[in-house]
Amino acid sequence: AQSVAQPEDQVNVAEGNPLTVKCTYSVSGNPYLFWYVQYPNRGLQFLLKYITGDNLVKGSYGFEAEFNKSQTSFHLKKPSALVSDSALYFCAVSDMNRDDKIIFGKGTRLHILP
Amino acid sequence: DSGVTQTPKHLITATGQRVTLRCSPRSGDLSVYWYQQSLDQGLQFLIQYYNGEERAKGNILERFSAQQFPDLHSELNLSSLELGDSALYFCASSVDLAGAQETQYFGPGTRLLVL
Repeated sequence: AQSVAQPEDQVNVAEGNPLTVKCTYSVSGNPYLFWYVQYPNRGLQFLLKYITGDNLVKGSYGFEAEFNKSQTSFHLKKPSALVSDSALYFCAVSDMNRDDKIIFGKGTRLHILP
Repeated sequence: DSGVTQTPKHLITATGQRVTLRCSPRSGDLSVYWYQQSLDQGLQFLIQYYNGEERAKGNILERFSAQQFPDLHSELNLSSLELGDSALYFCASSVDLAGAQETQYFGPGTRLLVL
């Protein structure tokens, strides 16, 4: 069965510093990987996804993520954090070979400190 | 604005009652997904409908049911409500021509409080 893990409940980063939000996954086949962001009292918003091809995926708001097959990871990164990046971030995975439902991680709360 | 609408925004009801949550997908999207978000369980996939038919089922209780109508809007029915059903319920939609790689677009959610 597929699964996704976000090992950190919360990440604190100073404004202007680089940020990383970690995600690891497990699927039996090849993965589709997603990052979504949730701002307070809002629904989830799509940030980026990996389907195939280039391991470095660029998304909205200056975010990017790197697919690492050997480490089964898909960490979210941004070179310089903004206070407005403070939100709840969800990693999600689906199995390419099963065309099955998407599984979300438990979420990581990102705090950008001014 | 994702283009997905959900009503009502807030709902307060008592244990044992039944409620209906409504979702209108983005124009052109054929798939609708329902999720439950609670503090202790995180974001749980409940059920997916595609063009009126049930497509995938997740951790949906037997007390819960859903349907998608010919105009593609969907309703999630929650019955015999318990305190633990208090949560934020999200609807999402996608075109779903490409299956599991599709991006989902989320509505603003319905916050349900069971007293």
